[in-house]
Amino acid sequence: AQTVTQSQPEMSVQEAETVTLSCTYDTSENNYYLFWYKQPPSRQMILVIRQEAYKQQNATENRFSVNFQKAAKSFSLKISDSQLGDTAMYFCALMDSNYQLIWGAGTKLIIKP
Amino acid sequence: EADIYQTPRYLVIGTGKKITLECSQTMGHDKMYWYQQDPGMELHLIHYSYGVNSTEKGDLSSESTVSRIRTEHFPLTLESARPSHTSQYLCASSYTGGVREQYFGPGTRLTVT
Repeated sequence: AQTVTQSQPEMSVQEAETVTLSCTYDTSENNYYLFWYKQPPSRQMILVIRQEAYKQQNATENRFSVNFQKAAKSFSLKISDSQLGDTAMYFCALMDSNYQLIWGAGTKLIIKP
Repeated sequence: EADIYQTPRYLVIGTGKKITLECSQTMGHDKMYWYQQDPGMELHLIHYSYGVNSTEKGDLSSESTVSRIRTEHFPLTLESARPSHTSQYLCASSYTGGVREQYFGPGTRLTVT
């Protein structure tokens, strides 16, 4: 069975600091996709960043970057220069060959002013 | 923001009532999904559809039913609401190929009294 584990239920950092959210996964497939989604309080789930497993280069989107370690099955998210608007639940997810997402339990991130 | 809509956004209803949660997308996506999410918790897939007249149950047992008569429309129906159905229901869509991202609607927060 495929699984996604987020070991940090909650984190908090000061504004402008850098924070890293952890995610590990398990799959027997060789071709898969990994995602980080953000769900702000009472707002819509949106995609933060995606990574195709066949790509060795780590994905980046402005202040957001990932550290993808395929052999270790690790997919951490780094947020640089954190902003108050980054406060949200962050979910790591794995997409299998059936186009279904396997979700982690989420990490609640609080950015303090 | 993604063009995927859910109505109603909030619903409070009595036990035993029949309800239908609406979900529509204007992106022409072939795949659509329904998730159930308790506040601050992970998402659970309850139904999905890979095209018109195709529906499947997800991992989480649900007493709801879905239909997919048109590509853009994927309503979810509860024949007899119970307090245990109180939760948030998220609709999502994606298309075959491409980057495989799932786009989410704003959700329906359901309370059954």
